[in-house]
Amino acid sequence: NAGVTQTPKFQVLKTGQSMTLQCAQDMNHNSMYWYRQDPGMGLRLIYYSASEGTTDKGEVPNGYNVSRLNKREFSLRLESAAPSQTSVYFCASSTRGLAEQETQYFGPGTRLLVL
Amino acid sequence: SQQGEEDPQALSIQEGENATMNCSYKTSINNLQWYRQNSGRGLVHLILIRSNEREKHSGRLRVTLDTSKKSSSLLITASRAADTASYFCATRSGGSNYKLTFGKGTLLTVNP
Repeated sequence: NAGVTQTPKFQVLKTGQSMTLQCAQDMNHNSMYWYRQDPGMGLRLIYYSASEGTTDKGEVPNGYNVSRLNKREFSLRLESAAPSQTSVYFCASSTRGLAEQETQYFGPGTRLLVL
Repeated sequence: SQQGEEDPQALSIQEGENATMNCSYKTSINNLQWYRQNSGRGLVHLILIRSNEREKHSGRLRVTLDTSKKSSSLLITASRAADTASYFCATRSGGSNYKLTFGKGTLLTVNP
């Protein structure tokens, strides 16, 4: 049982390049999330998927797209990377939805540097 | 925008002492959760307190919630060097909303 896994662990991009961050969970969770963490800012929600087949914008969605490929996998795509997207990205999943008492399980993070 | 705000931003104590961190939030909540993040790692859930609860314990952790003041506190008793980490509160509002809103965190350093 690996929990939440993320690939890659570290990536360097040049401005304008694109990339996809991968996330998978093996806990049969319905909901999945992408956050970014910047110094002094805590975690900010980029996109989330309440259940397979649905995605919604979070607090900071601009410059990102997501795909909920199946129940296990939720990917985050940067179409044209910008230096402002330099951050640590965390994927998370949660056990239940809709008025239930959820806790979130986090992956180890992807450190992204955009030059 | 941040819902929860932790206080203090940083806290340094000696091993064996108690550590208290506070969290204030702005809007009504369904529940409030505390998470720990060790340096370079993902967040780990510690404890959840529902809006109709006032206090909850889990091992050396004690959480209180005061909905009238929109605040919560996390107490870690008999701290250990291994408790060194950042601690975040996260709030979940009601409705068909799966989202948690995280504060900026308190960095706790426990000196051996």
